[in-house]
Formats: sequence, C-alpha cells, structure tokens
Amino acid sequence: DTEVTQTPKHLVMGMTNKKSLKCEQHMGHRAMYWYKQKAKKPPELMFVYSYEKLSINESVPSRFSPECPNSSLLNLHLHALQPEDSALYLCASSHRDGYEQYFGPGTRLTVT
Amino acid sequence: GIQVEQSPPDLILQEGANSTLRCNFSDSVNNLQWFHQNPWGQLINLFYIPSGTKQNGRLSATTVATERYSLLYISSSQTTDSGVYFCATDPRGAQKLVFGQGTRLTINP
Repeated sequence: DTEVTQTPKHLVMGMTNKKSLKCEQHMGHRAMYWYKQKAKKPPELMFVYSYEKLSINESVPSRFSPECPNSSLLNLHLHALQPEDSALYLCASSHRDGYEQYFGPGTRLTVT
Repeated sequence: GIQVEQSPPDLILQEGANSTLRCNFSDSVNNLQWFHQNPWGQLINLFYIPSGTKQNGRLSATTVATERYSLLYISSSQTTDSGVYFCATDPRGAQKLVFGQGTRLTINP
C-alpha cells in the first residue's frame, strides 16, 4: 500500500480564519513533506520532517505552521492567510529523506 | 542550487503515437523520479530511477547519471496519458525534491 491521504480535498477560508490541513500515511515512512503548487507551476517544497523533527523550513512565512504529532501524521496549521496563498497543497512521504517520495491527492485551498 | 530542465514544454500528439520526454539536471543527484500529474492534481509515481533503465507497460525510463539526464518514453499513447509530466531530483545532501517545469502532454483521439 503506497497511499498518502489528505483532508480536506477543498478548503475555502477567509483571511481571518484559522484552519488545518491533515496528511496521513501508514507505510512506516519516517520522512514527511509539505509542498505548495501554484497553477501551471511545479510543486515547491515548504517543510521536511525527518523522524518527527522539523529538518527543513524553506523560509515559509509564519502564517503556515507545520506539526508532526507522530510518525504517521502531518498537519499544516493556517492562520491569517493572504489571497496569494491560494494553491494546491501537497503532502508526501518517503522511507527516509532521499528515498522515493509518494504524494497525496492534495488540498486545493482558496483564500478569500 | 541544482537546475532541472525539461523538454519539450508542450507536446501534442495523436493517439497511438510515441514520445520521448527529456530531463536535464545540473548536478549529481541521489534520486530521480518521474511523475504524471492528472487533471485533478494527483502526482502519480511513474519511476524512481537514479540510474539505469526501467520499464512498466507502455512506459520506460532511462537515466544516465554521469551525463546528467533522464528520458521518459511513452509508446502507443492513449488519451488518458494526457497531463503534465514532471521529473524531480534530490541533490545529494539536500533532503528535498527539486522539480523541473514539466512537459504538458496532450493526446488527441
């Protein structure tokens, strides 16, 4: 089973809202990732968790706050977002960093 | 940082045609993956191929790491092959995938 799940599939939020994106995998992978993808562009890395510790933050604004409560779960907490943050947010996991990554279906976020 | 270039950027073919997509990268890499992104945004793993040749049905891929390029071959194209094809590499020590700009493939019936 190479499945990564993400919820919700779609999210519309106002600039004053607080919401969270959820990602889950049950493959025993120890590295998990958040990527952001704008329309007609490739995915860009936001965060990497390795063994439940944040190992890379690609200078992401603090209105995005990642959390890895356990080895199977990755959250992305959103607060005070801007309309330009509207994008497809993709979660991925791999056995360890540097190994093959598997992506979830994404959450399509619209900020109004 | 590493540069990943894909060509061609767009490709329009008739059903049944064959195609070759190319990915050039500027530095040594630990990992190279090919993905197909479907219209709903899902990135589907096609190949994990840091070096060598692999085949899966109508698709095959070859990576020549010493010359820093990878090729994806699609034979007997079907309309369901339409979408964007990305290659992505993991530069040594970088812990992350860097994506090329993608090739948008359109297969017409």
